[in-house]
Amino acid sequence: GGIITQTPKFLIGQEGQKLTLKCQQNFNHDTMYWYRQDSGKGLRLIYYSITENDLQKGDLSEGYDASREKKSSFSLTVTSAQKNEMAVFLCASSIPGGSYEQYFGPGTRLTVL
Amino acid sequence: GEKVEQHESTLSVREGDSAVINCTYTDTASSYFPWYKQEAGKSLHFVIDIRSNVDRKQSQRLTVLLDKKAKRFSLHITATQPEDSAIYFCAASSTSGGNYKPTFGKGTSLVVHP
Repeated sequence: GGIITQTPKFLIGQEGQKLTLKCQQNFNHDTMYWYRQDSGKGLRLIYYSITENDLQKGDLSEGYDASREKKSSFSLTVTSAQKNEMAVFLCASSIPGGSYEQYFGPGTRLTVL
Repeated sequence: GEKVEQHESTLSVREGDSAVINCTYTDTASSYFPWYKQEAGKSLHFVIDIRSNVDRKQSQRLTVLLDKKAKRFSLHITATQPEDSAIYFCAASSTSGGNYKPTFGKGTSLVVHP
């Protein structure tokens, strides 16, 4: 078995601040994903990466940057936090090919004051 | 792009009854349809999936049905138990052309009353 860890668990930022969320997996999966979960809106894909150093935009990539420097890690940066923003950011990984289940991390809860 | 609609936002059943959650999708190229469960305060975990080469898959009390013609798939839970209470998400993704982008529905909150 494997595990996905996300840091930090809770992130509080100020409006306009640049914030970075980190994700690590030891499944040795090639594909990794970042999602944003808002209440009542399901999961929306921000970025995904099919291999080390690859980045693909999802439907919600504006306002975010991502980095995949190692196979085991995938970082997400909120480039300018929006006031009153609250969401949970979920990282996931999977075997490549699009037809395998994803394994999700515990999430980072973001609050912007 | 793909759109996945999850028809029931909430579903309430009595313990022992069956529950059905329905999803529709728009992209005929979608060929992989997983379901995930999110218990209160926790992250998502995979429960069951179906690929487009079959129209039915069963795992214990869970059955997924796929109707490719109607672009519809559904999760059936039999003999529900209180621990089945959670938010269930359906998803669809295409496996053609190197497209790995899964699209999720908005979730169905299932409450199983004792």
